[in-house]
Amino acid sequence: EIVLTQSPATLSLSPGERATLSCRASQSVSYYLAWYRQKPGQAPRLLIYDASNRATGIPARFSGSGSGTDFTLTISSLEPEDFAVYYCQQRSSWPGTFGQGTKVEIK
Amino acid sequence: QVQLVQSGAEVKKPGTSVKVSCKASGFHFASYGFSWVRQAPGHGLEWMGWVSAYNGNTNYTPRLQGRVTMTTDTSTSTAYLELRSLKSDDTAVYFCARDAPRDQWPIRGGFDPWGQGTRVTVSS
Repeated sequence: EIVLTQSPATLSLSPGERATLSCRASQSVSYYLAWYRQKPGQAPRLLIYDASNRATGIPARFSGSGSGTDFTLTISSLEPEDFAVYYCQQRSSWPGTFGQGTKVEIK
Repeated sequence: QVQLVQSGAEVKKPGTSVKVSCKASGFHFASYGFSWVRQAPGHGLEWMGWVSAYNGNTNYTPRLQGRVTMTTDTSTSTAYLELRSLKSDDTAVYFCARDAPRDQWPIRGGFDPWGQGTRVTVSS
């Protein structure tokens, strides 16, 4: 089973600042990686798929990069609704595991 | 619009079963598969398994094998999750999500959309 490790566990930032979240895989997942945002009390929402493609309706402030074992989700300028928990998920091999999450909180 | 609507919250006693539904609308149900993901209180996301509305195939995580059954009903565009022999650590919010129609890895794309979640509480 591929293990995904997200860092940092918590990121404390102010609105308007840039957020950089990391996801590292225990073995190569090529580009088969997705990112989700989960606001409190809500279901997760797909942000990025195939490492760098924005999902439908996702604003341009979200971008994804990386391949192989190291991936990054960047939020260029934090909006109030972006203070949430973010998960990465690998879709390279069964089972499709999730990372443990990164919480982006208001500083 | 494309959406998944799940059934309401459940409270169950240990040893019993629960069945959660996930009704799809806005897209061709039989062209997709559906994954189920759960989230225990204060914890992250755990993938439970997948069912194809395309061909009926299923794939479950080993730790739930024998206790879980996932099915679909194309006549009502609904996916179902049944979990048996409930234990207290099955207490969680259960989500359905639209997924690929075939179990052929690697899989492009992601889970999109998700249902709103169904809270299942297991308590004596």
